[in-house]
Amino acid sequence: LAKTTQPISMDSYEGQEVNITCSHNNIATNDYITWYQQFPSQGPRFIIQGYKTKVTNEVASLFIPADRKSSTLSLPRVSLSDTAVYYCLVGDWAGSSNTGKLIFGQGTTLQVKP
Amino acid sequence: DTGVSQNPRHKITKRGQNVTFRCDPISEHNRLYWYRQTLGQGPEFLTYFQNEAQLEKSRLLSDRFSAERPKGSFSTLEIQRTEQGDSAMYLCASSPETGGNEQFFGPGTRLTVL
Repeated sequence: LAKTTQPISMDSYEGQEVNITCSHNNIATNDYITWYQQFPSQGPRFIIQGYKTKVTNEVASLFIPADRKSSTLSLPRVSLSDTAVYYCLVGDWAGSSNTGKLIFGQGTTLQVKP
Repeated sequence: DTGVSQNPRHKITKRGQNVTFRCDPISEHNRLYWYRQTLGQGPEFLTYFQNEAQLEKSRLLSDRFSAERPKGSFSTLEIQRTEQGDSAMYLCASSPETGGNEQFFGPGTRLTVL
């Protein structure tokens, strides 16, 4: 599984757009990029997944450049409730021989201030 | 609420005692995972079930740990002769056969070993 690197922490203010970048230089051809969100004392929650270019859902956007060696999670107009840890994961979960286990790093702790 | 449930939510025990945690996955999910999370770290994979078969175990799962999933429904994780280093949040997640990288996590069981 490809190793990921992301900032340990970020600060933002309510109403701002937040971009969290993740590096995954050794991403493999079949790997997907996935982001999870975790609030204190809760289990992680799936946010978004992508393979290339741009993916958008009701929560966030995921930007993936052509070389796929990095990705950026974009959270529009954050609120205090977006304060959480955000994890970037890379893996070939669609592979038939894959158990689907997730390998988490330390994640990025986002603190949204009023 | 038809999400993943875990019991108990909190467990305090003395070193050397045995503890057992229960996870009830989303009913139609046949994949079930256990993870452990310590403060400031991302979740670490412990073990994986497909239906009732335990198909993968991390080397983190020492011989004091045992997990079962009888009849492919709920799962239990038992820790024998607990040690202070076992203090952590134990997370359960489930996903459907074709769920890929989207796993649904429970709220976790926080274990404190005194």
